[in-house]
Amino acid sequence: DAGITQSPRYKITETGRQVTLMCHQTWSHSYMFWYRQDLGHGLRLIYYSAAADITDKGEVPDGYVVSRSKTENFPLTLESATRSQTSVYFCASSEDRQPQHFGDGTRLSIL
Amino acid sequence: QKEVEQNSGPLSVPEGAIASLNCTYSDRGSQSFFWYRQYSGKSPELIMFIYSNGDKEDGRFTAQLNKASQYVSLLIRDSQPSDSATYLCAVRSGGGADGLTFGKGTHLIIQP
Repeated sequence: DAGITQSPRYKITETGRQVTLMCHQTWSHSYMFWYRQDLGHGLRLIYYSAAADITDKGEVPDGYVVSRSKTENFPLTLESATRSQTSVYFCASSEDRQPQHFGDGTRLSIL
Repeated sequence: QKEVEQNSGPLSVPEGAIASLNCTYSDRGSQSFFWYRQYSGKSPELIMFIYSNGDKEDGRFTAQLNKASQYVSLLIRDSQPSDSATYLCAVRSGGGADGLTFGKGTHLIIQP
């Protein structure tokens, strides 16, 4: 079935390690987004992309890197993980002015 | 700084009654408004979206938008226990490429 999938669903890592969260969508949507969700803060935008090779920072981009070489994939990399990046990460996609639809999320714990 | 405000709740409503959820936003240039439902441990699920002033109905759900007052609401008629969840209000300022600004959500409890 078409949709948006995130992997892994759960990840435990240590501070200082690099970790990449994957996002893949089969809708051929132009727009893709990464959010993090934390208690007390709600969902906050990390990075977004309007098309392949076009990315831009959101509200909380520090410590994260994104790329989008193909329309369907939008990986998020934590180059040197910190405990403050422990969170639930959601990827979303949309087309034109339509609403965003979310993946199932990745629960990331950094020890 | 764009802000979206919601009462965190919990909002407790008897089964079969109308649940009313409210949201205010700070950016007067906001163009699109969304309501997502999120069950504990799950991802946000789109319930309603509205772009123009007035009401929009879909089944048991009605979204209401008042841009002059910078106010969005969601009404849930004939509330069911399965409606118990956190409801997130989200606002988009520009076109489809813009990210969403979310409120922190209202926790709704439907009492059987």
